[in-house]
Amino acid sequence: DTGVSQNPRHKITKRGQNVTFRCDPISEHNRLYWYRQTLGQGPEFLTYFQNEAQLEKSRLLSDRFSAERPKGSFSTLEIQRTEQGDSAMYLCASSFGQGYPYEQYFGPGTRLTVT
Amino acid sequence: GQQVMQIPQYQHVQEGEDFTTYCNSSTTLSNIQWYKQRPGGHPVFLIQLVKSGEVKKQKRLTFQFGEAKKNSSLHITATQTTDVGTYFCAGYSFGNYQLIWGAGTKLIIKP
Repeated sequence: DTGVSQNPRHKITKRGQNVTFRCDPISEHNRLYWYRQTLGQGPEFLTYFQNEAQLEKSRLLSDRFSAERPKGSFSTLEIQRTEQGDSAMYLCASSFGQGYPYEQYFGPGTRLTVT
Repeated sequence: GQQVMQIPQYQHVQEGEDFTTYCNSSTTLSNIQWYKQRPGGHPVFLIQLVKSGEVKKQKRLTFQFGEAKKNSSLHITATQTTDVGTYFCAGYSFGNYQLIWGAGTKLIIKP
């Protein structure tokens, strides 16, 4: 078990470009979460998958953001038409559980800089 | 919407002094979790509290969950340099998959 991995670790892009991030959760974990974190703040929930089903999405998330988890394994987060305000650390976390919330294991994050 | 407020934002202590951070939720929580994030790192799970009035200890760390399940605290006794980092509380409300995070309390050890 190598833990949660995320790629790339850093991404610099120009405003208006599309970016895609990948998260590989711990293999037996059925739950996967995406968060965004800016300096001095706690992680902000973006979306949640249980297996391949996207069960919850933040109302704060614009339609420029989309996430997938095909086959209930890895997940991708795409941001279209990036804006400078999208600059942040994007964290992925996974956990195991059916109903009761368990602890979340975080990946190292992808730091996005939009210029 | 649901909010979790955490205070203080920063706490400067001398090594060996105690540290406490407090969380308050605008709604009743089903449970609360605590995480630690080292500088440049990612959040790491510390503990989960579920029962009203629950108190749990991990060595020098003491975690409490309020009777009304709307507040929680983390107390560290005799801080060490390895305790440096930001401590976050995060809570679930009933029937909700979303973990709502506090803004964190940064523990800084004075040189």
